[in-house]
This record gives sequence, structure tokens and C-alpha cells, in this order.
Amino acid sequence: DGGITQSPKYLFRKEGQNVTLSCEQNLNHDAMYWYRQDPGQGLRLIYYSQIVNDFQKGDIAEGYSVSREKKESFPLTVTSAQKNPTAFYLCASRMGDPGYTFGSGTRLTVV
Amino acid sequence: AQSVSQHNHHVILSEAASLELGCNYSYGGTVNLFWYVQYPGQHLQLLLKYFSGDPLVKGIKGFEAEFIKSKFSFNLRKPSVQWSDTAEYFCAVTWGTGRRALTFGSGTRLQVQP
Repeated sequence: DGGITQSPKYLFRKEGQNVTLSCEQNLNHDAMYWYRQDPGQGLRLIYYSQIVNDFQKGDIAEGYSVSREKKESFPLTVTSAQKNPTAFYLCASRMGDPGYTFGSGTRLTVV
Repeated sequence: AQSVSQHNHHVILSEAASLELGCNYSYGGTVNLFWYVQYPGQHLQLLLKYFSGDPLVKGIKGFEAEFIKSKFSFNLRKPSVQWSDTAEYFCAVTWGTGRRALTFGSGTRLQVQP
């Protein structure tokens, strides 16, 4: 079955540490996206990539970094510079329209 | 800035009541419009979408939405809700060309009481 795999499902991080969230897709989609979901705020775009080796900042990129070395992978690093990292993170991919597919998400908690 | 507004944050209905959830977007031009649903503990699922053509769009599970260009609106409707419709509903928009990333509204939590 084709889809998006996000791992881990739950992640705990100590303050001051960087942590990387995995997003892998086997859909052969060109574009990939990272969203952050907070209660009452919907989903906000962190970073996106429309093609391998290229990515762009979204609306709330501060404190995050990404890479897109392979078409199927778009990992997100939450750095220590992110002031409020506790949230639910969703990865998505797209090929054409409407073509959006979402992963099952990673819930990150800072302890 | 391009934005999407959902004015109903929390809606409580009894079973068989009719539902209408509002969605407005901030910027004209070519838009693609979506409604997604997130059931507790589950993935985001696409309910329906509008790209062009008939402004009244029918989706899954008896939902429909109407695109009114003059009002920048894309409201979601269902004539008779069921307890199983309890979920969070998100309106989303993409504009013309460019990043093609979905811009989401803040969501509406629907609670249907039996």
C-alpha cells in the first residue's frame, strides 16, 4: 500500500535538545510539506519542498530545519531555538491536484 | 496575507439536526477549496473539494459545500448529522500557482449528542 509513514508516533524531548521527525513516502510524489497542529489554531505550514534538493520556508519556519536529499524522504528537525515545540506534527505529500496525502503524525512533547 | 477563517470553533448539535460550518478566505483569484475531517485519533481525511465547475460540491458521508465567489466563502453543510460525525473539521485553500500548500482554517470541533 502506498502512503506516508511518520515516525515515531510519540516523541519526548528534553529542553535544549534537537530532535528529528521522520517522514517517508512511497507514492512517488514530488512535493512534500510539514505542518504543525495546535489546539484551536488549525494546521500551520512549517516548510515545504516541491522537488528534491529544494525546500522553502512556510509560515512558521523559525526554530525548524529540513532536508530533501531523496524524493521519498523529508525529515524535520526541531531545534533548541524553537521556543514552544510541544505540538502535533503532520507530514503531507502531493502530486498534482488534489493529490494531498497526509501521514498519521508525530506528537512531540518537551519534558 | 492569505488566510482562511472558520468562525465556528465549537458546535454542539443533537442527532438529526442540520449542520452548516462557515469558511471564508481572504484573497481572490484562482482558488482550490477543500474540507477535511479529523476523527479522534485518526488521519486527516478529505471530505470534498472544489476546483472548478458546479459551485455545489458533494462529498463523502452526505456532506456538501457551496462555493460563493462573491462572498469568498465555502460553507460545509449536512442535512442531518449523526453521532459518528463527531470530529474536527478543517477548511483549507490553495491559491493559484506557487507553493500549492494548503492554508488551513483553525478548525471547528463538532460534537453530536445522541
